[in-house]
Amino acid sequence: GIQVEQSPPDLILQEGANSTLRCNFSDSVNNLQWFHQNPWGQLINLFYIPSGTKQNGRLSATTVATERYSLLYISSSQTTDSGVYFCAVDPYGGSQGNLIFGKGTKLSVKP
Amino acid sequence: DGGITQSPKYLFRKEGQNVTLSCEQNLNHDAMYWYRQDPGQGLRLIYYSQIVNDFQKGDIAEGYSVSREKKESFPLTVTSAQKNPTAFYLCASSQGLIAEAFFGQGTRLTVV
Repeated sequence: GIQVEQSPPDLILQEGANSTLRCNFSDSVNNLQWFHQNPWGQLINLFYIPSGTKQNGRLSATTVATERYSLLYISSSQTTDSGVYFCAVDPYGGSQGNLIFGKGTKLSVKP
Repeated sequence: DGGITQSPKYLFRKEGQNVTLSCEQNLNHDAMYWYRQDPGQGLRLIYYSQIVNDFQKGDIAEGYSVSREKKESFPLTVTSAQKNPTAFYLCASSQGLIAEAFFGQGTRLTVV
């Protein structure tokens, strides 16, 4: 089945710094989503981005479907950005709605 | 507010007992899903349902059962056959195929 790899696994930043998180996937996908899991476990939708570029405030994401990767950019990081960031894909031709998750990037933003 | 409500937030189960986790959505979404998350891991699909009275097994369905009698409700039963049920369980819904999925706040199940 499709493999989803996220890097780096852990990231420590000083408040105000910028960062780039990467998601590589091994096959074609219908759908790609980025989530932020907060310390209470809730998954917050960041982007639904099967291709192209989107921006939402300090966050932006780019998916290059033909090269099978997606990037999440966080600018001017804040302590509230801490948590785990997941990339999830719906494989082309796979089970309906079966989002395959990467193992996540754990981000810690220090004041 | 529109969203997905999971209950309870925390659940303790004795070995050999069945327990049922609730998931309700008022987004009018057709599809609903159950995922399991183990510490330090991503999510894995247990069951999903595209329409009422129909559901399909996901990657790790053994030891679990579901029902979909109403569009807005998709309860998950963790049976005594599930060998390692301690985990964080997340319910999700989407409008349909290849649509953006939204998640509830999760239920943390612990076997005591």
